[in-house]
Amino acid sequence: DQQVKQNSPSLSVQEGRISILNCDYTNSMFDYFLWYKKYPAEGPTFLISISSIKDKNEDGRFTVFLNKSAKHLSLHIVPSQPGDSAVYFCAAIRASYDKVIFGPGTSLSVIP
Amino acid sequence: NAGVTQTPKFQVLKTGQSMTLQCAQDMNHEYMSWYRQDPGMGLRLIHYSVGAGITDQGEVPNGYNVSRSTTEDFPLRLLSAAPSQTSVYFCASRPGQSPYGYTFGSGTRLTVV
Repeated sequence: DQQVKQNSPSLSVQEGRISILNCDYTNSMFDYFLWYKKYPAEGPTFLISISSIKDKNEDGRFTVFLNKSAKHLSLHIVPSQPGDSAVYFCAAIRASYDKVIFGPGTSLSVIP
Repeated sequence: NAGVTQTPKFQVLKTGQSMTLQCAQDMNHEYMSWYRQDPGMGLRLIHYSVGAGITDQGEVPNGYNVSRSTTEDFPLRLLSAAPSQTSVYFCASRPGQSPYGYTFGSGTRLTVV
């Protein structure tokens, strides 16, 4: 039973446009949600997080939106750059537990 | 640089062989975990530890053992390698119940033939 879902395996976007990556979750007890970025042959790196009590968090070109009623979050990248081409993982944490649960990932290609 | 170090980076094993994937971190992080990454499956948790001497199973623990004798080291042992264990393995650490998730190593690509 997959608790964190990313239903789009891949996404292509033109350079300068907005990239929107989506994530759905099933467990309403998650306290934090995170996005990780992964380049080939490297480990994932932390990108941005959001607490379950917030609905938006912004860091430069990256904004994460959380809709708790829909159990849905999205990562917006504006403007998209070729260096943003990577696999993006959505993840979730329950503060009282020790596990970080990851989604299957979305491969983003930003076309120059 | 501080971080999570995994060795080896690549390994080929024959079915039935055993080996240990090494993981060390120098950030004094309490929590450490092992994940495997397979196409379409994302990162699946194998085992994790919340401190020296304490380990627990994740989503896919079968065929793997771990121990945590020090804060710094968290080796993953494959007892009898199977082709289904062909994967990329990532070790990660984080400072307790941090909301900022893990710092990951660069991975070990394992092929079992």
